[in-house]
Amino acid sequence: KAGVTQTPRYLIKTRGQQVTLSCSPISGHRSVSWYQQTPGQGLQFLFEYFSETQRNKGNFPGRFSGRQFSNSRSEMNVSTLELGDSALYLCASSLMAGLNGYTFGSGTRLTVV
Amino acid sequence: SQQGEEDPQALSIQEGENATMNCSYKTSINNLQWYRQNSGRGLVHLILIRSNEREKHSGRLRVTLDTSKKSSSLLITASRAADTASYFCATDGLDQGAQKLVFGQGTRLTINP
Repeated sequence: KAGVTQTPRYLIKTRGQQVTLSCSPISGHRSVSWYQQTPGQGLQFLFEYFSETQRNKGNFPGRFSGRQFSNSRSEMNVSTLELGDSALYLCASSLMAGLNGYTFGSGTRLTVV
Repeated sequence: SQQGEEDPQALSIQEGENATMNCSYKTSINNLQWYRQNSGRGLVHLILIRSNEREKHSGRLRVTLDTSKKSSSLLITASRAADTASYFCATDGLDQGAQKLVFGQGTRLTINP
């Protein structure tokens, strides 16, 4: 079966712009989580969605937002980009809220210049 | 912020040797999971151990969990060059909100041929 698909793989944006990242979970998985990975802060939780509802949110500013559609696909948006938003953004899907682990996508590498 | 501490931060061994990585965490957990990451790509789920389990095996992997010491270890036996990667522990905690993983800083493992 297909894995978790994240698009685009690479993205270069300018400070002040906004960006939208997409994640398609494994078919049948209704939970989608987002993580940010940077060399300085490591892997940090952004938010989690289940059946179009945000169930948990990490400690990130309001510039970071997300949503989930009825087909479980999810998008995350970052507005007013800052240099510090440069990171690998990872999406993870799970069948039973992570009770058996998560399947991660290959990530979107965002560079803000 | 990271909950877990991983030790060592980097490990270099010869092919065929065993590799042991340790992880400590701070709060009560539902389960603890180990992931592998190759060269800044997506995370691959290796093994999950629940809070009521003490040891778990999967192929060449052995994971132990000591909830009284809030620590876990990952042992990779008979290492191969393909095991070269970063390894992360992640906790799914009781008091950190549902469906949220808190990651350690990771151990960079290098297997020398």
